Amino acid sequence: AQSVTQLGSHVSVSEGALVLLRCNYSSSVPPYLFWYVQYPNQGLQLLLKYTTGATLVKGINGFEAEFKKSETSFHLTKPSAHMSDAAEYFCAVSEIQGAQKLVFGQGTRLTINP
Amino acid sequence: SQTIHQWPATLVQPVGSPLSLECTVEGTSNPNLYWYRQAAGRGLQLLFYSVGIGQISSEVPQNLSASRPQDRQFILSSKKLLLSDSGFYLCAWRKTGRGEAFFGQGTRLTVV
Repeated sequence: AQSVTQLGSHVSVSEGALVLLRCNYSSSVPPYLFWYVQYPNQGLQLLLKYTTGATLVKGINGFEAEFKKSETSFHLTKPSAHMSDAAEYFCAVSEIQGAQKLVFGQGTRLTINP
Repeated sequence: SQTIHQWPATLVQPVGSPLSLECTVEGTSNPNLYWYRQAAGRGLQLLFYSVGIGQISSEVPQNLSASRPQDRQFILSSKKLLLSDSGFYLCAWRKTGRGEAFFGQGTRLTVV
């Protein structure tokens, strides 16, 4: 069964600094990988996804993530943090075949310091 | 375009009362449907998912049940709520196993 581990429930960076949110997954078959963002009391919005092809994926708001099969990782980065990036971020995995489940990690709350 | 509706937005219910949360999707057919619960500091817990009418898969044995009476309708229910059922409930749909999921705005349930 697939699972996701997000390292660090809280990450704090200064405005303009690099953002790095870590995600490792476990899956017995090739996965589809997603990053979502959630603002307070709202649903989730897709930032980016990896299905096939290029392992470096670019998303909205300047975010990108790289699928590394050998490390079973899909870390999210942004070169320069903006105050509006403060939110909760979720990594998710879905298997290509089988049960069609979409499993999320525990989430990482990103705080941006002025 | 596709839209997902989830209601109510907030709900306060006494312990032992029943629960019914409804989610409907418009603009697509035969979607995969999901119910998640988000408790403080615990991420998104997958509760139920459905790949077709009447097909429900339960991820976590608990006080809740789900039904899919129509292709684009997904209902989360409980006969008797517990305090531990409090949380933020999110419904989501996606077209296929590789597609992104689209979320409703959520229901904040407080059991008192």
